[in-house]
Amino acid sequence: QEQQQPWGARLLQPSETLSLTCDVYSGSLSGYSWTWIRQSPDRGLEWIGEISHSGNTKFNLSLRSRLTLSMDTPTTQVSLKLGSVIAADTAIYFCARTIVVAGAHRYFDLWGRGTLVTVS
Amino acid sequence: SYVLTQPPSVSLAPGQTARLTCGGSFIGAKSVHWYQQKSGQAPVLVVFDDGDRPSGIPERFSGSNSGNTATLTISGVEAGDEAAYYCQVWDATSDQVVFGGGTRLTVL
Repeated sequence: QEQQQPWGARLLQPSETLSLTCDVYSGSLSGYSWTWIRQSPDRGLEWIGEISHSGNTKFNLSLRSRLTLSMDTPTTQVSLKLGSVIAADTAIYFCARTIVVAGAHRYFDLWGRGTLVTVS
Repeated sequence: SYVLTQPPSVSLAPGQTARLTCGGSFIGAKSVHWYQQKSGQAPVLVVFDDGDRPSGIPERFSGSNSGNTATLTISGVEAGDEAAYYCQVWDATSDQVVFGGGTRLTVL
């Protein structure tokens, strides 16, 4: 599996839980935040949420109630769980290394190849 | 919620200068970042903090931000610049990342 390309089940039925994991670059977990972003023709690029190297999280308000982000330092993995999926959750999912500036604004300097997840 | 507005498409001949705009309320007070996404690929950061370039991005790419409009300028567009370009900000009021809808640049 290519590094930083999310892996997990790619075909889900409505109401199931979407689970994706990203193997991030060794050493990157401690120094960066990591963000999940998805893309669909209807919604364009959509920010899902972020997890910092210390485990602090920020979530898209519209997804917050269904969303869990986690990280595992020994395996240098970040993970996403989105519960009760619907067809509108069909998208290409990316994990992206995140630069946070002065604890305020942030941008994404390294994106992995995305993974298409289909809910049908 | 904060909204970023980008024109859906821009078409130019090779060698011309592309000015891709990103509109938002008082966007000049925010830091704007730009991504290039070629067909079937992941986005790539081309400008951060309004006008800085990551290593490896040609000097032909530059950015500016003032008032209610941020602009990504691509000088001397080439066929290889054909892609969708997205602007992005952090909205501190809502604690959310916001992306624009993207502009598809076509090089004729």
